[in-house]
Amino acid sequence: DIQMTQSPSSLSASVGDRVTITCRASQTIGNYLTWYQQKPGKVPAVLIYATSKLQSGVPSRFSGSGSGADFTLTISSLQPEDFATFYCQQSYSHPFTFGPGTKVEIK
Amino acid sequence: QITLTESGPSLVKPTQTLTLTCTFSGFSLRASGVGVGWIRQPPGKGLEWLGHIFWDDDRRYNPSLEGRVTITKDTSENQVVLTVTDMDPEDTATYYCAHGRGFSVTTVDYFDFWGQGTLVTVSS
Repeated sequence: DIQMTQSPSSLSASVGDRVTITCRASQTIGNYLTWYQQKPGKVPAVLIYATSKLQSGVPSRFSGSGSGADFTLTISSLQPEDFATFYCQQSYSHPFTFGPGTKVEIK
Repeated sequence: QITLTESGPSLVKPTQTLTLTCTFSGFSLRASGVGVGWIRQPPGKGLEWLGHIFWDDDRRYNPSLEGRVTITKDTSENQVVLTVTDMDPEDTATYYCAHGRGFSVTTVDYFDFWGQGTLVTVSS
């Protein structure tokens, strides 16, 4: 199975901050990487698919990049509604695997 | 508008079989490129993909569940059923079904619409 790791596991940031979350796969996965956001008590929602494609309806302050085994989710200017846990997920091979999550909290 | 709703028992006993039904609307599992997946999340923990079924009846499962998972579809009823045998307290989780989409029409790669989830507790 492909193992997914994320760093940091949590971070504190202020509204307006630029936030970067890293996801690393245990092997190369091409561009088969999706990012989800899960707010407390809510259902996960897709933000970015295929590494860098913005899901319809997602604000443009979210962006994704990377290739091979290293990927990044960036929030250009953190908004109050962005505080949540973020997960990456690979679909390069079965079983699909998720990263452990990065919790973004208010500073 | 795509919606999915999970239904089934909220409490099962150890060794019992869990059966959950996902009833969906806004898409058809007869349409090429469409899939439905199941993902679970133990309380306070992360997400685990259990498996998915594709429009052509191709099925993929997570081998970590050691053959305990089966996913079937009823296209006429717009339903997908998840069965997990030999339930254990470690299977306590919120179970989600989700609409699967691929980067191409031949696969499922990610899940863009999710049900609200159903919490299943395994306890005697």
